[in-house]
Amino acid sequence: KAGVTQTPRYLIKTRGQQVTLSCSPISGHRSVSWYQQTPGQGLQFLFEYFSETQRNKGNFPGRFSGRQFSNSRSEMNVSTLELGDSALYLCASSSGTSGVSEQFFGPGTRLTVL
Amino acid sequence: DQQVKQNSPSLSVQEGRISILNCDYTNSMFDYFLWYKKYPAEGPTFLISISSIKDKNEDGRFTVFLNKSAKHLSLHIVPSQPGDSAVYFCAARTDSGGSNYKLTFGKGTLLTVNP
Repeated sequence: KAGVTQTPRYLIKTRGQQVTLSCSPISGHRSVSWYQQTPGQGLQFLFEYFSETQRNKGNFPGRFSGRQFSNSRSEMNVSTLELGDSALYLCASSSGTSGVSEQFFGPGTRLTVL
Repeated sequence: DQQVKQNSPSLSVQEGRISILNCDYTNSMFDYFLWYKKYPAEGPTFLISISSIKDKNEDGRFTVFLNKSAKHLSLHIVPSQPGDSAVYFCAARTDSGGSNYKLTFGKGTLLTVNP
């Protein structure tokens, strides 16, 4: 079974630009969550999508948005980039259908904002 | 306000000895706890978990202990191996009804196992 894939792996943008990151979950998984990892804050939850609907949301500004497609692939968009948005963005997939199921993480997209 | 705290940013142990990684939490609504391991340039990988109704869960060399009254959990690795060197994240989940999924992570502890 293929794992979670994220594209691109590395990205360099400048302040004010916008960026879109992509995540393909494990086949059959319907839940996709996004996390931001920075050295100072660790992993912070951004949002979770299940069956094309946002089910959970973290405490990030509206510049951070996402969506999920009918094939469960998900995209995350950050508009008006700031220097502080430089981070590793991780997506995780799970079956998300009942009880607690572990999340499987992708390798992440390293975003650098100059 | 950090609800999951890993107060030791790093830990160094000798190969073959026990590694003990600690995690404290403040939210009494957390009902499930997980440990993840992360190597550089890779995403975190699930290691072991424990439900709040248990106080111990064991899987091979890894054991997680939960002390609900102290709001404390720990991960024991015995014996430690050099391949265990990684960043370990403690994570917790609240039961928000059904299967809604939102994990709160600690900042991680870098474990170094010396040969």
